[in-house]
Amino acid sequence: QVQLQQSGAELAKPGSSVKISCKASGYTFTSYYISWIKQTTGQGLEYIGYINTGSGGTNYNEKFKGKATLTVDKSSSTAFMQLSSLTPDDSAVYYCARDLRRVGMDAWGQGASVTVSS
Amino acid sequence: DTVLTQSPALAVSPGERVSISCRASEGVNSYMHWYQQKPGQQPKLLIYKASNLASGVPARFSGSGSGTDFTLTIDPVEADDTATYFCQQSWNDPPTFGAGTKLELK
Repeated sequence: QVQLQQSGAELAKPGSSVKISCKASGYTFTSYYISWIKQTTGQGLEYIGYINTGSGGTNYNEKFKGKATLTVDKSSSTAFMQLSSLTPDDSAVYYCARDLRRVGMDAWGQGASVTVSS
Repeated sequence: DTVLTQSPALAVSPGERVSISCRASEGVNSYMHWYQQKPGQQPKLLIYKASNLASGVPARFSGSGSGTDFTLTIDPVEADDTATYFCQQSWNDPPTFGAGTKLELK
């Protein structure tokens, strides 16, 4: 079955970076895009961007340009998101999701909690 | 960005029919999707492109609408349907989500 397994919770200091992983299984990794979504109690669900897992091409929500960097390792069927220059506003649960492109996101990782605190 | 407006909460009794609305600030064609999220879990796709049932989702769930007004209907509601329901549009860039409707059972 389709599964997306994300890395664990992160506690980071302001100004630092974190890199979250999302390992896919149960399907042909390069046949689907991977999108990333931020969830907070205050702002709800926010779309960060997607990566074309075949070509490595990316598309970012303007709000997250310069904050998030999406990459992929096809050999391990893993997508990554690096968040840089962290501030407390980056504290959230981050999800990866298999993106069917305009037809919804049909599989989600379990979420990775990022807490930014000094 | 396209703003999606949902009512914040609903309370219904098991066996009843419930409709959850989502209104877009601009047209999204039929590119509206619905997700269910239970506490501590990731969202789950229920309906894609306004009215298509996602794989494995019970036929109690259905969706309708186009343009700016969309509805998710659950009929009949079961106790396990207690969750928050989000709409999401993928017609305009960037994709956006509604704030969610929390469904509680009486």
